[in-house]
Amino acid sequence: SQQGEEDPQALSIQEGENATMNCSYKTSINNLQWYRQNSGRGLVHLILIRSNEREKHSGRLRVTLDTSKKSSSLLITASRAADTASYFCATDALGALNFGKGTSLLVTP
Amino acid sequence: GAGVSQSPRYKVAKRGQDVALRCDPISGHVSLFWYQQALGQGPEFLTYFQNEAQLDKSGLPSDRFFAERPEGSVSTLKIQRTQQEDSAVYLCASSLAGTSGPRHTQYFGPGTRLTVL
Repeated sequence: SQQGEEDPQALSIQEGENATMNCSYKTSINNLQWYRQNSGRGLVHLILIRSNEREKHSGRLRVTLDTSKKSSSLLITASRAADTASYFCATDALGALNFGKGTSLLVTP
Repeated sequence: GAGVSQSPRYKVAKRGQDVALRCDPISGHVSLFWYQQALGQGPEFLTYFQNEAQLDKSGLPSDRFFAERPEGSVSTLKIQRTQQEDSAVYLCASSLAGTSGPRHTQYFGPGTRLTVL
C-alpha cells in the first residue's frame, strides 16, 4: 500500500510560474524524499529532507517538512517546459521507500 | 559513471510464461531494491537486498515472485506463471548504504515494462 498522497493529482502552469505540490503521509519517518519521473529519464532523485529539518533548498527547488502535520511541500520556482514530469514524494522509515501516487505537472511554453 | 541498468527494457509474455528481469546496480552499492509500478501509480516496494542477503521480501505479491542477488551485485527478479495483473514497470534501485540518510539515496534504473497477454 502507498503511504504518501500527493496533491494535486495534476497541475498545469505556464513557463515562468511557480509550481507547488503537497504530500501527506501517515507514519513516522526518518526522512522524506522527492523524485521526478518522465519517460525520458526514468525516476530521478531530487532532494532529501531529514525528519529534523524544516526546509531545504536545491537550485529552483524548495522543500518544506512539517512532521506535526505529517506533510511536505515541493516548490519549483520559475518553471520551465523541461520540468514537465510526474513528481513523487517518498517516505523512508525502514530502508525501503513508500511512494505516493504522484502529481503530474505540465508546464506549457 | 554508469548508473543502474536493467534488461530487458520491454518484455511481452503470454499468460503462464516465466520471466526473468535483470538489474545491474551501481558498482559498490550495498543495497538493492525492487519496486513495481502500475500504470498511473507510484512505485510499490517488492524486496530489498543488502549485499547478497535478502533482508525484506514483504512486498512480493505472491509466491510466484522470486528475487536473488547471489554475489551481492547483479540481481534477478523472476516471475513464474505470469498473470495479466503482473503487467507493470519493474524498477530496480541501488544505494551506497543500507541505512537512512544521504548515503541511502536510491538511484533508479530505467525499468522493465512487462506486458502479460
